[in-house]
Amino acid sequence: AQSVTQPDIHITVSEGASLELRCNYSYGATPYLFWYVQSPGQGLQLLLKYFSGDTLVQGIKGFEAEFKRSQSSFNLRKPSVHWSDAAEYFCAVGARGTSYGKLTFGQGTILTVHP
Amino acid sequence: DTAVSQTPKYLVTQMGNDKSIKCEQNLGHDTMYWYKQDSKKFLKIMFSYNNKELIINETVPNRFSPKSPDKAHLNLHINSLELGDSAVYFCATSDRGTETYEQYFGPGTRLTVT
Repeated sequence: AQSVTQPDIHITVSEGASLELRCNYSYGATPYLFWYVQSPGQGLQLLLKYFSGDTLVQGIKGFEAEFKRSQSSFNLRKPSVHWSDAAEYFCAVGARGTSYGKLTFGQGTILTVHP
Repeated sequence: DTAVSQTPKYLVTQMGNDKSIKCEQNLGHDTMYWYKQDSKKFLKIMFSYNNKELIINETVPNRFSPKSPDKAHLNLHINSLELGDSAVYFCATSDRGTETYEQYFGPGTRLTVT
């Protein structure tokens, strides 16, 4: 069974600082990986995704993530955080084949941005 | 025009009642999902329908019954509501034909059982 771990429950950064949110997954094959962002009272918005090919993927709002198979990780990064990035971030792994569409989410990381 | 919409946005009801949540999508996707997000923000899949056929049915009490009248709609009916059913329920959609596997989420329905 697939699983996702986000080791950091809460991260605080200053506006303009760089950001890295960690995500580790467990899956028996090549995974589909996603990062979603949830603002308070809102639904989840897809930031970026990895399926195959280039292990460094670019997403919306200046985010990027790198798939490292050897470390089973898919960390999210942003070089300069804006106050509007404050939200909760979820990493997810997707199943292929007969379990199509089954996304397993991590526990989420809350990002607080100080001015 | 909202891609994935849910009604109602908020639902407050008493234990033992029966309630329904509705989801509609205008993306033309063929697969729809229900997720439950508990008070700790843990998000877990409940059901998935592809072309009106149930394809994922996680370990969910049989008080929960999804129904897909057509490809654009997926409703969730809950019988005999319990306190533990209080959560935010999200509908999501994807297009299996493109194999992109990405899911688009609705705004959520916050259910409070008193």
